[in-house]
Amino acid sequence: GQSLEQPSEVTAVEGAIVQINCTYQTSGFYGLSWYQQHDGGAPTFLSYNGLDGLEETGRFSSFLSRSDSYGYLLLQELQMKDSASYFCAVMDSNYQLIWGAGTKLIIKP
Amino acid sequence: DTGVSQDPRHKITKRGQNVTFRCDPISEHNRLYWYRQTLGQGPEFLTYFQNEAQLEKSRLLSDRFSAERPKGSFSTLEIQRTEQGDSAMYLCASSLGERSYEQYFGPGTRLTVT
Repeated sequence: GQSLEQPSEVTAVEGAIVQINCTYQTSGFYGLSWYQQHDGGAPTFLSYNGLDGLEETGRFSSFLSRSDSYGYLLLQELQMKDSASYFCAVMDSNYQLIWGAGTKLIIKP
Repeated sequence: DTGVSQDPRHKITKRGQNVTFRCDPISEHNRLYWYRQTLGQGPEFLTYFQNEAQLEKSRLLSDRFSAERPKGSFSTLEIQRTEQGDSAMYLCASSLGERSYEQYFGPGTRLTVT
């Protein structure tokens, strides 16, 4: 089967750093994507890792370890507008995205 | 670039009725995807097109669901004989070429089956 595991909820303080982990087990793997979804909104693309290592995009970074079937999204200098759900999604060998159930990020002032 | 659009945004129907949703992707994007999302879950893949060809369909998808993408432009998703379990948000996304990992989503159509 195919599965992605990520925490259901994470709480952090404004201005802090938070890491959202994702482990996966899929029949094929090309890379790991991260998406953000605000309540009532559509998912928006954040980052993609096709190779091991760290990808940085502004305040957001994403990491992948293919040997560990593990990745994470790192959000720095948290702002209240970062309160949202974050999804990891595996690009499988059929070029389809297989999605996790999402992590709800709660930010406190 | 006007983004991905979907119509209607909301649909309320009675069980047993047929419904059809439309998606207009970003014009230069050749791949188009349909997903279903329920509260607290990630999007569930339904089907996808490359240009006008339907390349993949979820094995979990009932034969009551059908999708088309005539001429490789807009797409329609039809659900026949709707059931209450079909109530969900139906999302459409598009992507360009090999960048299937970077999908652009429309606002979705929220279906409520009563």
